[in-house]
Amino acid sequence: GESVGLHLPTLSVQEGDNSIINCAYSNSASDYFIWYKQESGKGPQFIIDIRSNMDKRQGQRVTVLLNKTVKHLSLQIAATQPGDSAVYFCAEKRNYGQNFVFGPGTRLSVLP
Amino acid sequence: EAGVVQSPRYKIIEKKQPVAFWCNPISGHNTLYWYRQNLGQGPELLIRYENEEAVDDSQLPKDRFSAERLKGVDSTLKIQPAELGDSAVYLCASSTKGYAGEANEQFFGPGTRLTVL
Repeated sequence: GESVGLHLPTLSVQEGDNSIINCAYSNSASDYFIWYKQESGKGPQFIIDIRSNMDKRQGQRVTVLLNKTVKHLSLQIAATQPGDSAVYFCAEKRNYGQNFVFGPGTRLSVLP
Repeated sequence: EAGVVQSPRYKIIEKKQPVAFWCNPISGHNTLYWYRQNLGQGPELLIRYENEEAVDDSQLPKDRFSAERLKGVDSTLKIQPAELGDSAVYLCASSTKGYAGEANEQFFGPGTRLTVL
């Protein structure tokens, strides 16, 4: 069935390095995507979003890239810090509804 | 501004017992979502409300789950009777809509961790 998924379940990076978390989606009708960060014992926290009419969007230390041709979404975190350690989810919204479908998540571990 | 509030934060019950979760969304957010999150997985939608109307409950196991949002603000999610497989984190989220009716970002509460013994 159609789904949102992630290439890597875990990612370990050195503190100060850049992190790239990937997400593949299969529904070309999706028009809105969100990256969430979830720390242990907390609900998902909004990081950055992007609509399908854009290819790139930047925030503070984070960049989201959307490649609609290959249905791929990525989250780039610059100068990764220990506080970035968490599970990251991508979520997509199909353009015929208001519901979001979440991927399984990638755990980011920042090494000292 | 207060975020999405959920209570209780933790609940441990024996199977076949009832349980209820409460959610207070962000003020002014007309759309409210209930999700279930199993360990190591992403949240899965159970039900979505627009004001007091449940507009999508297709994923809600209606034989044992029920939800309400009587005045279009607070919401409760109930399970009766609970089963072992219901152990999960139950998340509430709320959002607004854009000028064209498109969905905006969802804000999540901390969730209720349910353990069914």
